[in-house]
Amino acid sequence: KNQVEQSPQSLIILEGKNCTLQCNYTVSPFSNLRWYKQDTGRGPVSLTIMTFSENTKSNGRYTATLDADTKQSSLHITASQLSDSASYICVVSAQAGTALIFGKGTTLSVSS
Amino acid sequence: NAGVTQTPKFQVLKTGQSMTLQCAQDMNHNSMYWYRQDPGMGLRLIYYSASEGTTDKGEVPNGYNVSRLNKREFSLRLESAAPSQTSVYFCASSELGVWEKLFFGSGTQLSVL
Repeated sequence: KNQVEQSPQSLIILEGKNCTLQCNYTVSPFSNLRWYKQDTGRGPVSLTIMTFSENTKSNGRYTATLDADTKQSSLHITASQLSDSASYICVVSAQAGTALIFGKGTTLSVSS
Repeated sequence: NAGVTQTPKFQVLKTGQSMTLQCAQDMNHNSMYWYRQDPGMGLRLIYYSASEGTTDKGEVPNGYNVSRLNKREFSLRLESAAPSQTSVYFCASSELGVWEKLFFGSGTQLSVL
């Protein structure tokens, strides 16, 4: 069964600190993996999209890594800001059809 | 550039009532989608429209109907609302298909009493 598992479920960090969110997937065949940021009361916004041939992709202070062999991805946030408080959703696209498998998300709270 | 616009933002219905959720995108995208988001679950696809004039069922289509009115607009209709349809509904669009980046609207919070 195609699944996307994210950890931790929630995380609290101090402003200025770094953090890493994890995503493990069992989707096959694999097309690409995305990370979305969802602010409270808003729709998800794309941060990165990576295909199986890409190991790392950055978007400002956000860096995503992908290991297609172990089916793991991580999202690293550097020098966190209060505005980084949000839910971060890992989404995996299967090669066929319209299948997008969404993780349940990691809720990040950045405190001052 | 508004992106994807959804209306209404909030709605309360009684069991058995009907309503239509509206969605419009101004990015000239071909594909549009309706998702629902429930607590503790990932987003689930209700219906999608790969291109103007076509619609297909997603993972959880029961109790819903859709209309791709034109290239810009994709509506979701609940014919007889049930409490199980209490959720946050998101419309999304992409240029050519789901393998590309999706752009989401800000959502409709629906409560069915």
